[in-house]
Amino acid sequence: AQTVTQSQPEMSVQEAETVTLSCTYDTSESDYYLFWYKQPPSRQMILVIRQEAYKQQNATENRFSVNFQKAAKSFSLKISDSQLGDAAMYFCAYRSRFTGNQFYFGTGTSLTVIP
Amino acid sequence: AAGVIQSPRHLIKEKRETATLKCYPIPRHDTVYWYQQGPGQDPQFLISFYEKMQSDKGSIPDRFSAQQFSDYHSELNMSSLELGDSALYFCASSLGRQGAGELFFGEGSRLTVL
Repeated sequence: AQTVTQSQPEMSVQEAETVTLSCTYDTSESDYYLFWYKQPPSRQMILVIRQEAYKQQNATENRFSVNFQKAAKSFSLKISDSQLGDAAMYFCAYRSRFTGNQFYFGTGTSLTVIP
Repeated sequence: AAGVIQSPRHLIKEKRETATLKCYPIPRHDTVYWYQQGPGQDPQFLISFYEKMQSDKGSIPDRFSAQQFSDYHSELNMSSLELGDSALYFCASSLGRQGAGELFFGEGSRLTVL
């Protein structure tokens, strides 16, 4: 089974600054999806950004961007101009494109935004 | 836009009782997933359905069962509840079984077992 590792249980960032959350994964597949989900205190999981493995270009969604390094199996999330509303748990997730429909989640990174 | 609807949002049960959680996926989504998230933990995959058939099975206990109905809604039935079953149960839906991209999550059903 694929594994997703988030090595930073907690991170903090000053408001308006930039923070990078790390994620690595292990897979033998060549085509897959990667996601970052945000889980604020309200608890609903919200999709932040997605990356398709066959696309070399890093995905970007407003203040959120990823650094996808396929060879290194690394998928970090960069949050620019951090806002108080960005405070949440962030989960990295992997999904195979062809061999099933399970999502594999990392253990999460708790992000604190300091005013 | 319609989202994934879960009911009830909160449920309190005694040990050894039975509970049923319901999930209504986004219209036209044909795949439903159930996840269990304990306090401070990442979501654990329980089971999924595609076109009313079980498609994948994760760490779902034998005391739990689930099904997807003709209208694509799904129910998670939990029997002989234990204290350790207290958790947030998420339902998610997607369009298509494979290669369809992201999951859309409901707000979760919080089960407390006393």
